[in-house]
Amino acid sequence: EVQLVQSGAEVKKPGDSLRISCKASGYDFTDHWIGWVRQMPGKGLEWMGIIFPGDSDTTYSPAFQGQVTMSADKSISTAYLQWSSLRASDTAIYYCAKGGDWNPQDYFDYWGQGTLVSVSP
Amino acid sequence: QSVVSQPPSTSGTPGQRVTISCSGNSSNIGKYYVYWYQQLPGTAPKLLIYRNNQRPSGVPDRFSGSKSGTSASLAISGLRSEDEAFYYCSTCDDGLRGSVVFGGGTKLTVL
Repeated sequence: EVQLVQSGAEVKKPGDSLRISCKASGYDFTDHWIGWVRQMPGKGLEWMGIIFPGDSDTTYSPAFQGQVTMSADKSISTAYLQWSSLRASDTAIYYCAKGGDWNPQDYFDYWGQGTLVSVSP
Repeated sequence: QSVVSQPPSTSGTPGQRVTISCSGNSSNIGKYYVYWYQQLPGTAPKLLIYRNNQRPSGVPDRFSGSKSGTSASLAISGLRSEDEAFYYCSTCDDGLRGSVVFGGGTKLTVL
């Protein structure tokens, strides 16, 4: 059974750094893309980017390029999303999701439960 | 404002058939596959339709997808109360360097 288990909710202050995680199981982690999706409070889904854990090839949405860093640790089947300096506007739920089997960079067939990140002074 | 647009809301009564549209242009829907996701209240999104009209295993055949030109649609037949959710279409867009883009989402209310 494919599972993506994300790390718990975070409360941070502007300027803080943060790394959230997504632990994958039930499939070959190194052979499938993993992506991140942002959902701001009361808003829709925003595609942030994807990473291929096999070689760490990464594609970012232009809106998120330079704002976050995606990485993956093959040894523990875990993907990460990282900020060096958070802003209040980063407050959102962040979902990780596994790339599908067909056109794997274009859609997600399994999703994590989401990580709520709250940033306030 | 997404480059792919959906109506913000729609509604139907139990048993009815409803459709949700997703409109784009030649740089996105006109060129790439369309996907649909369902997000129930307080939960993560779930894949409903891939490659325009394919259902993953476990998705009821009440859900169907179609695409024509620069538009796509999700149809839900035999509407049930548990279908009340947000529905999002997605595709790729050349203007975003091939990145994936989501529609703004449509809230389906079952009356």
